[in-house]
Amino acid sequence: EDKVVQSPLSLVVHEGDTVTLNCSYEVTNFRSLLWYKQEKKAPTFLFMLTSSGIEKKSGRLSSILDKKELSSILNITATQTGDSAIYLCAVEEGDSGAGSYQLTFGKGTKLSVIP
Amino acid sequence: KAGVTQTPRYLIKTRGQQVTLSCSPISGHRSVSWYQQTPGQGLQFLFEYFSETQRNKGNFPGRFSGRQFSNSRSEMNVSTLELGDSALYLCASSRFRRGVWTGELFFGEGSRLTVL
Repeated sequence: EDKVVQSPLSLVVHEGDTVTLNCSYEVTNFRSLLWYKQEKKAPTFLFMLTSSGIEKKSGRLSSILDKKELSSILNITATQTGDSAIYLCAVEEGDSGAGSYQLTFGKGTKLSVIP
Repeated sequence: KAGVTQTPRYLIKTRGQQVTLSCSPISGHRSVSWYQQTPGQGLQFLFEYFSETQRNKGNFPGRFSGRQFSNSRSEMNVSTLELGDSALYLCASSRFRRGVWTGELFFGEGSRLTVL
């Protein structure tokens, strides 16, 4: 069974729409949840959410972590064609203080924004 | 500041061969991690290196190995290639602040491996 599940798998919206992407997880030693954007090949970092930082915002993008529901959402308001990409959710798990990290990625949500 | 550099960008191998991929991290980044990306399985963690030590390994067979050099450059090796090893292999470097991982992975463009 997948530890990190993203939904929907794909989404087509018009410019100006608001979208919500979902990520749910089931891991033993949760440490953080991360969002990345992959436009061509190299994913780029968006947000890191932890127990001490459950809400992040940057411009039109925002994300919330719900530790009770073991999930996170990524919101994009006033979408633009440049937002078209695959959005990846990843969960970091492991023992605190280990000084390392191990990530489990979801399969991603492919967002297409049409003019 | 130069980004993460991966070589080669594309390569074609046949079953049973082995392959070595190289990754040069961003200057000053001592952590290097590797990922396999396929359409069916998505992005999967292979291993993470820091100061020449492998600290974490994903759920991959022993045919997948890696190492890190004193200058933080890293290589990964896949022996006895199988058709299912065809994938995009991504390398990422990152840094720690006061021993805590920042969460920000800087990915290279990847090495596209095709196994025939």
